[in-house]
Amino acid sequence: GENVEQHPSTLSVQEGDSAVIKCTYSDSASNYFPWYKQELGKRPQLIIDIRSNVGEKKDQRIAVTLNKTAKHFSLHITETQPEDSAVYFCAAFNDYKLSFGAGTTVTVRA
Amino acid sequence: EAGVTQFPSHSVIEKGQTVTLRCDPISGHDNLYWYRRVMGKEIKFLLHFVKESKQDESGMPNNRFLAERTGGTYSTLKVQPAELEDSGVYFCASSQLGTGSSEAFFGQGTRLTVV
Repeated sequence: GENVEQHPSTLSVQEGDSAVIKCTYSDSASNYFPWYKQELGKRPQLIIDIRSNVGEKKDQRIAVTLNKTAKHFSLHITETQPEDSAVYFCAAFNDYKLSFGAGTTVTVRA
Repeated sequence: EAGVTQFPSHSVIEKGQTVTLRCDPISGHDNLYWYRRVMGKEIKFLLHFVKESKQDESGMPNNRFLAERTGGTYSTLKVQPAELEDSGVYFCASSQLGTGSSEAFFGQGTRLTVV
């Protein structure tokens, strides 16, 4: 089955700096890679996703890159703000199932 | 449009008791997933329904867990008898059925505490 690894587990950044979270996956058949943000006490919500036929996607301050050959994908948050503090999960979709990374707790220091 | 709803939001039960969690997916979503997050760790897959059929239940930890989705609408996840290690947040998610992948929408989760 699919195995998704996510690093780092915690990330503390100064407000205004960038944050980068990296994930690797094991199954080359995975073709869809969403990123979810979970704020304290709330449900995970999709913030950005990328499909295997695309190498990079950007939405305002967040961007995701995908390297299919190396089987890794990354989330980049620029100009971080306090409201970016949350747990971020990467996931890989294979056939019908989302497999999640362990999550990264991001803390943005004011 | 209503999102994915889960009930209850919190449940505290004693070891050995039974608890039933409920998930109402978004109307029209044939895919329904159960996931669990234990002790702040990763979100782990439990099982997947397509309509009323179990597509994959490989993530179910043991036979104390029973999931149903009668009629292909809402789903229940019963834990009987509950053990301490079952504590965690149980998430339900739903998505549309179709070729390829589509966004999965999550419920707010049920926080289960077994004491």
